Amino acid sequence: GQNIDQPTEMTATEGAIVQINCTYQTSGFNGLFWYQQHAGEAPTFLSYNVLDGLEEKGRFSSFLSRSKGYSYLLLKELQMKDSASYLCAVFDSNYQLIWGAGTKLIIKP
Amino acid sequence: IAGITQAPTSQILAAGRRMTLRCTQDMRHNAMYWYRQDLGLGLRLIHYSNTAGTTGKGEVPDGYSVSRANTDDFPLTLASAVPSQTSVYFCASSPGIASTDTQYFGPGTRLTVL
Repeated sequence: GQNIDQPTEMTATEGAIVQINCTYQTSGFNGLFWYQQHAGEAPTFLSYNVLDGLEEKGRFSSFLSRSKGYSYLLLKELQMKDSASYLCAVFDSNYQLIWGAGTKLIIKP
Repeated sequence: IAGITQAPTSQILAAGRRMTLRCTQDMRHNAMYWYRQDLGLGLRLIHYSNTAGTTGKGEVPDGYSVSRANTDDFPLTLASAVPSQTSVYFCASSPGIASTDTQYFGPGTRLTVL
């Protein structure tokens, strides 16, 4: 079966750095997405990785290791507005997105 | 530019009733999707459409139907609602079905079936 694992919840302090991990077992791999979802709102696109390595975009970076079936999202200089759920999704061999349950990130002052 | 709109925003429905959730996009995207999101579970694909005139079944299609008569609209119909269909429903669209095509989401419809 297809499986994407993320921690259910994480807590971090404003101004700090947090790493949200995602491991996946899917039928094929055609890319990995990270989305942000604030409570009661729609998911919004953060990043896309298809090759191994780190993609940096401002305060957010995403890393991929295809051989390990592993990705992480790194958030730097945390702000209160970063309190949200972070969703990991893999594009499988059928060109459909398989979604993890999401990681709820709580930022404390 | 509105992007993707969904209607209604929320709805309480009696079991056994028929309900259509509306989704419209103005980005001229070829592909559209319907997901449901339940607490503790990832987004699950109900139905999709790669281009106008075609539809396909996702992971959880039972009890739902869709149509794609034109590029902009992709309604989702519950023929006879059941309480297990209580969920938040998101419509999404993407330019195409390539792996690099980002999906953009509508604001969602919160549906409660009693």
